[in-house]
Amino acid sequence: GAGVSQSPSNKVTEKGKDVELRCDPISGHTALYWYRQRLGQGLEFLIYFQGNSAPDKSGLPSDRFSAERTGESVSTLTIQRTQQEDSAVYLCASSLVTGPRLYGYTFGSGTRLTVV
Amino acid sequence: GQQVMQIPQYQHVQEGEDFTTYCNSSTTLSNIQWYKQRPGGHPVFLIQLVKSGEVKKQKRLTFQFGEAKKNSSLHITATQTTDVGTYFCAGIQGAQKLVFGQGTRLTINP
Repeated sequence: GAGVSQSPSNKVTEKGKDVELRCDPISGHTALYWYRQRLGQGLEFLIYFQGNSAPDKSGLPSDRFSAERTGESVSTLTIQRTQQEDSAVYLCASSLVTGPRLYGYTFGSGTRLTVV
Repeated sequence: GQQVMQIPQYQHVQEGEDFTTYCNSSTTLSNIQWYKQRPGGHPVFLIQLVKSGEVKKQKRLTFQFGEAKKNSSLHITATQTTDVGTYFCAGIQGAQKLVFGQGTRLTINP
């Protein structure tokens, strides 16, 4: 697609429920990233995919968080048993990678998650 | 792990004044990227600097990469209300992961 697409744009869920966030990257972008941004804060790295493997998942806050990616396409971030501290905007980005060179990230509009 | 620090955290200026944000890393960076996030929006890529001492300009924006590749700056000349937003620097950690600074939030009095 023309840009990075994320869905849903907004999600309100009850504490303890599971949620699934979706990211559709730019076609041809082999690298895909998930970041979390709390209100007024910076970007907190969660996980990154190169193709469908995840070389770095060091930012996942707990075992309630998991992510997967199908081929070089859609990725889903799943949060189980949501807690109020999970409330944030979850941003997905993709980038073109050629050898060691890293290009700029293209971010999606994010999913605003509110846990009540 | 690598830390990327940005100062100031907030900056308020009168329209027409200049603005500068600074980025410092605890380790040498292979490259650095800058992003702008408008209020309510998502980060948008501005530029990437790769070479030691590199200076790049985009209209009223000037980006610099330090000689030691541990610091960078973004300078905006004669700010306009369209410059409002949060500016983030980000450095590479590991193979392909960006570590973002906390950002500098710029507000402008018209």
